[in-house]
Amino acid sequence: GAGVSQSPSNKVTEKGKDVELRCDPISGHTALYWYRQSLGQGLEFLIYFQGNSAPDKSGLPSDRFSAERTGGSVSTLTIQRTQQEDSAVYLCASSRDRDQPQHFGDGTRLSIL
Amino acid sequence: DAKTTQPPSMDCAEGRAANLPCNHSTISGNEYVYWYRQIHSQGPQYIIHGLKNNETNEMASLIITEDRKSSTLILPHATLRDTAVYYCIVRVAAGNQFYFGTGTSLTVIP
Repeated sequence: GAGVSQSPSNKVTEKGKDVELRCDPISGHTALYWYRQSLGQGLEFLIYFQGNSAPDKSGLPSDRFSAERTGGSVSTLTIQRTQQEDSAVYLCASSRDRDQPQHFGDGTRLSIL
Repeated sequence: DAKTTQPPSMDCAEGRAANLPCNHSTISGNEYVYWYRQIHSQGPQYIIHGLKNNETNEMASLIITEDRKSSTLILPHATLRDTAVYYCIVRVAAGNQFYFGTGTSLTVIP
C-alpha cells in the first residue's frame, strides 16, 4: 500500500552543512505535518501544511529550519548550517484533513558529526 | 494549552487486557482524543480516536469519560507484539499543534 514515504532513511553529515529531508504523503491527503523526535522523547511539532493555505510554522526552532510543500503533495524540510543539537529523527505525517488521524512515515534519522 | 498526562510505564500479562489511562483535563469541547503507538525505530501507528462516545475498532477500544477529562485505551487481549510506547494526543488550544508528551511504555510479559 502507498503509505507516507520519507527519504533518506538515514543521513549523517558534518556540522555546518545544509540538509534536505523529503516526505511523500499519501495521495489525496491535504494536511501534512513535520515533527522532530530526540532520543527517548516525545514528538515535537515543527510545521503544518493544509491545502493551499499558508503553513503554520510556529514550531520551527530557529530560522535555520524551513519547509516547502510543492503542488500540495511532496514536502521538503531544509536545515541550514546544521548543529549537533539538530541530531534527531524527523517524522512526517499526512491526513485527509485537519481532524482526521495522521499517518506517519518511518522518519529520517539525522546525525550531525 | 491542552496537554496530556500518562503513566510512564506499565506491564501487562500476555492474553490479558491492557488498560492505558490518559488525563486530558484541559481538552477543548470540540477536539478529538487520538491514540497512537510507536515501536522502536518506526513511525507512530494510529490506533483509534474519539470525541465523546466510546469507540471500538479491530485494534482497541477507547473509553472517554462523560466530562471528557480523561480516557482509557483498552487492548482486549495483549500480545507480545503490543509492546510499544503508547501516546494519547490532543490538539494544543485552537492551533494546529498536537501535544505528544512522552507516552506510556507498555511491556507485555509472556
